[in-house]
Amino acid sequence: DVKVTQSSRYLVKRTGEKVFLECVQDMDHENMFWYRQDPGLGLRLIYFSYDVKMKEKGDIPEGYSVSREKKERFSLILESASTNQTSMYLCASRPSWDGRYEQYFGPGTRLTVT
Amino acid sequence: KQEVTQIPAALSVPEGENLVLNCSFTDSAIYNLQWFRQDPGKGLTSLLLIQSSQREQTSGRLNASLDKSSGRSTLYIAASQPGDSATYLCAVLSGGYQKVTFGTGTKLQVIP
Repeated sequence: DVKVTQSSRYLVKRTGEKVFLECVQDMDHENMFWYRQDPGLGLRLIYFSYDVKMKEKGDIPEGYSVSREKKERFSLILESASTNQTSMYLCASRPSWDGRYEQYFGPGTRLTVT
Repeated sequence: KQEVTQIPAALSVPEGENLVLNCSFTDSAIYNLQWFRQDPGKGLTSLLLIQSSQREQTSGRLNASLDKSSGRSTLYIAASQPGDSATYLCAVLSGGYQKVTFGTGTKLQVIP
């Protein structure tokens, strides 16, 4: 079974802190994604990566950056956390861009910025 | 721009009832459509994937259909159980960057 893990289930940070969210997948998937999920807004794509050291902006990249130094690991960085970044953050991975393949999600990180 | 809509936003049914969840999308040039289940405070669990060349997929009590020409998919749940209570999301893979666009979900409650 594909497994996508996220470093924390719950996280509380203060405004202005630098925050790291880690995601690891164990199935050698090429593509990895970071989403945030907010009530009434659904899931929105922050960043995605289609290979090591490669990244592309999604719909809402402002205030975020990412890092992919190894194929299995994709990190989301909040350079200076703000209260409007309080949200549920979901990581996902997919084998490739082929339409035959499913996207798999991690358990999510509930981030609260106070 | 692809838009995905799920109606109704919430649905409450008695246990044992068969039910249908709806998903519609505006751009029919899709690669696939995926149905997910999400329990409160948790991540998304993949239920079914329908490729663009397929009309339906089945897994246990679940059956998903796809009609690309009309921009619609349905998820049929047979003999619903309280454990089916969750939010169901559909997601469409489309576009030049093969972007996944999600619907906002249907929250299902199955009453014992």
